[in-house]
Amino acid sequence: GEDVEQSLFLSVREGDSSVINCTYTDSSSTYLYWYKQEPGAGLQLLTYIFSNMDMKQDQRLTVLLNKKDKHLSLRIADTQTGDSAIYFCADDRGSTLGRLYFGRGTQLTVWP
Amino acid sequence: NAGVTQTPKFQVLKTGQSMTLQCAQDMNHEYMSWYRQDPGMGLRLIHYSVGAGITDQGEVPNGYNVSRSTTEDFPLRLLSAAPSQTSVYFCASSYQGCYTFGSGTRLTVV
Repeated sequence: GEDVEQSLFLSVREGDSSVINCTYTDSSSTYLYWYKQEPGAGLQLLTYIFSNMDMKQDQRLTVLLNKKDKHLSLRIADTQTGDSAIYFCADDRGSTLGRLYFGRGTQLTVWP
Repeated sequence: NAGVTQTPKFQVLKTGQSMTLQCAQDMNHEYMSWYRQDPGMGLRLIHYSVGAGITDQGEVPNGYNVSRSTTEDFPLRLLSAAPSQTSVYFCASSYQGCYTFGSGTRLTVV
């Protein structure tokens, strides 16, 4: 997953907004995804965005896509302690063959 | 509807032993894939399959074999386990960009 890069750590105070950033290299990516993983658990799909969109909003989550800069971000509004987890960005590199390429994950810590 | 089922959930192997990690899905998805997750490394693609009888290598295929004799099952085989294969393994199935992941198998090789 070196072609998908994320910062490793983010700390925020409860009630603030969190912004997790991701850059990718493949301009042919069709879908880009955000997954959440809590300690010892599997992957939970948070949201995804199609490459012809530049924004998607889903309750507290806002995804922004800058295709020109190959930059993806996930904004979590009113961050809660239950949002503490690792967040992974993933892209399909334009493949229709059912495979994903992941970043290393961003550890989000929310302080009360 | 069980989704993607992985067994076992935990396994300890000795170096040189072989084993098969099982993955089954009941959604009739054509595409299935295996990933390993190491601390600080994210998930890396091991092998994937686009349908029964068709498999291909991902980013880190060495030391692993796969086969896909049915649409439902996609087992991952370790022929001779090494400590470097200690990891958490995830299987996924997908259809039209929608991915479902199993709950993972935590493997320790001693």
